[in-house]
Amino acid sequence: DIQMTQSPSSLPASLGDRVTITCRASQDIGNYLRWFQQKPGKSPRLMIYGATNLAAGVPSRFSGSRSGSDYSLTINSLESEDMAIYYCLQHNEYPPTFGGGTKLELK
Amino acid sequence: QVQLQQSGAELAKPGSSVKISCKASGYTFTSYYISWIKQTTGQGLEYIGYINTGSGGTNYNEKFKGKATLTVDKSSSTAFMQLSSLTPDDSAVYYCARGLYYSPGAYWGQGTLVTVSS
Repeated sequence: DIQMTQSPSSLPASLGDRVTITCRASQDIGNYLRWFQQKPGKSPRLMIYGATNLAAGVPSRFSGSRSGSDYSLTINSLESEDMAIYYCLQHNEYPPTFGGGTKLELK
Repeated sequence: QVQLQQSGAELAKPGSSVKISCKASGYTFTSYYISWIKQTTGQGLEYIGYINTGSGGTNYNEKFKGKATLTVDKSSSTAFMQLSSLTPDDSAVYYCARGLYYSPGAYWGQGTLVTVSS
């Protein structure tokens, strides 16, 4: 299975900060990469698909990018509602595999 | 609007089985696959497998073969997952999710908590 190594596992940040979360794929996955946000007690919410495309209803302060086998989720001007756990998911190869998650919390 | 409504929490004894349901509404059920995902605190999110809601064909993550059985009832737009020979390691929140193929997309159920305890 493809391993998705996500970092950092925890990210303390302040409101208004710009933060970046990264996933590294153990094999080529092209742009078959999604980012999900999960808040306590809730289901994951799709934020980014195709590595760089914003899902419907997602604020424009979120963006996705790719550099080789590294995929990043960036949040500009952090807001309180962004505090959550973020997961990447590769779906280039079966079975789809998730990163270990990044807990974004207030510093 | 698209909704996936899962059945309620389950408390099961080791060695028993449970069957979770995922009832879809707001779209043509057979136009999308249903995937199932396991979430635990220790292992994070794990992909279990998917079912082709039109044909009933299934594909399981090797890790969950023999553990999970996916079925579908097109007449009620409901997907099911049966978990068998339960152990405490099967205690988790289980999600169903809609996708065009095996990729979980924008629509997920609310999750079903399964607790395995004697």
